Amino acid sequence: AQSVTQPDIHITVSEGASLELRCNYSYGATPYLFWYVQSPGQGLQLLLKYFSGDTLVQGIKGFEAEFKRSQSSFNLRKPSVHWSDAAEYFCAVGAFGDYKLSFGAGTTVTVRA
Amino acid sequence: DAGVIQSPRHEVTEMGQEVTLRCKPISGHNSLFWYRQTMMRGLELLIYFNNNVPIDDSGMPEDRFSAKMPNASFSTLKIQPSEPRDSAVYFCASTPTSGNNEQFFGPGTRLTVL
Repeated sequence: AQSVTQPDIHITVSEGASLELRCNYSYGATPYLFWYVQSPGQGLQLLLKYFSGDTLVQGIKGFEAEFKRSQSSFNLRKPSVHWSDAAEYFCAVGAFGDYKLSFGAGTTVTVRA
Repeated sequence: DAGVIQSPRHEVTEMGQEVTLRCKPISGHNSLFWYRQTMMRGLELLIYFNNNVPIDDSGMPEDRFSAKMPNASFSTLKIQPSEPRDSAVYFCASTPTSGNNEQFFGPGTRLTVL
């Protein structure tokens, strides 16, 4: 069974600074990987996804993530954070032929002025 | 596309009452998921359906919880009787048949059981 670990529960970053959120997964085959964002009081919105091919994936809102098979990681990055990026971020892993996703515990991002 | 629709958005009820949460998945999506989100336990998968058939209900906490999907455009999650520890945000999500696992989430129902 697949699983996801997000080591950072909470990250505080200054507006304009770079952001990196860590995600490690456990899965035997090639995983499907996702990053979702949840703003307060909202549902989860897909930021980006990786299925195969180029290991650097571009998403919405200026986010990108890099799949590193050797490290079993799929870290999310943004070069310059905006105050509106304050939210909770979830990494998720899935497998071909299995409709379920396994979600990490989430990382809360606070943006300070 | 209207996205996944959930109703009600907020529900406040008293312990012992029956609660029914509703979900309309995106048209054409064949898989539907119910999640529960709490501060303590995070996001938990309760049950998921494929082609209206329950495939995995191992996450349903106990017999007080039940879910149905009578057709491709409607699903319900029922709690009877409700208890204060059921207070949480319940999300519905749907996935198309392409098998790429991308799930589209609804806005959630915030349930408070007094």
